[in-house]
Amino acid sequence: DAGITQSPRHKVTETGTPVTLRCHQTENHRYMYWYRQDPGHGLRLIHYSYGVKDTDKGEVSDGYSVSRSKTEDFLLTLESATSSQTSVYFCATMDSTYEQYFGPGTRLTVT
Amino acid sequence: AQRVTQPEKLLSVFKGAPVELKCNYSYSGSPELFWYVQYSRQRLQLLLRHISRESIKGFTADLNKGETSFHLKKPFAQEEDSAMYYCALTHGSGNTGKLIFGQGTTLQVKP
Repeated sequence: DAGITQSPRHKVTETGTPVTLRCHQTENHRYMYWYRQDPGHGLRLIHYSYGVKDTDKGEVSDGYSVSRSKTEDFLLTLESATSSQTSVYFCATMDSTYEQYFGPGTRLTVT
Repeated sequence: AQRVTQPEKLLSVFKGAPVELKCNYSYSGSPELFWYVQYSRQRLQLLLRHISRESIKGFTADLNKGETSFHLKKPFAQEEDSAMYYCALTHGSGNTGKLIFGQGTTLQVKP
């Protein structure tokens, strides 16, 4: 499992509240990613990081921000949650062979 | 635009039957193609990648650049193959590892 954990695993929140999801890895991988998984869309990249304090946008970054202050932690923040952000969120890391390893996922429901 | 298309949302076969999960892509350049699998209650994990030319769990996939396809095949399906399968692509070597996923195909192998 490449030592990737996500917290929380499940969260229900109300529209308009801020939410932060955490991804933690123990493999010292340089690259980390946040994806969301929705029926009919597969997984879509939200943001990614290529090092400490180095991040960039993905395909569906609107309404999301990220931070990476340490190699092992990558945080995803929903500044003001909306119902359209109800989804399953996956964190991933990438090793030197370009294989990605995924976390267990966080199921977020915005009511 | 870069895109991965999996035309079948659900593929249902009987145990022992051949399986082919279709994947077509559009990309200008030399992408790297992957198949990821998500078994029930497990993490998304790499099944195979075109550059390795391996056969994993009896599955193979051949990159057809002329038809821009990367179909996943197995001659005799097993019940334990039931899972969600995602085709994905990324840029060639030296890239940031950003994956573009297809919509996913659920494979159901009936006894």
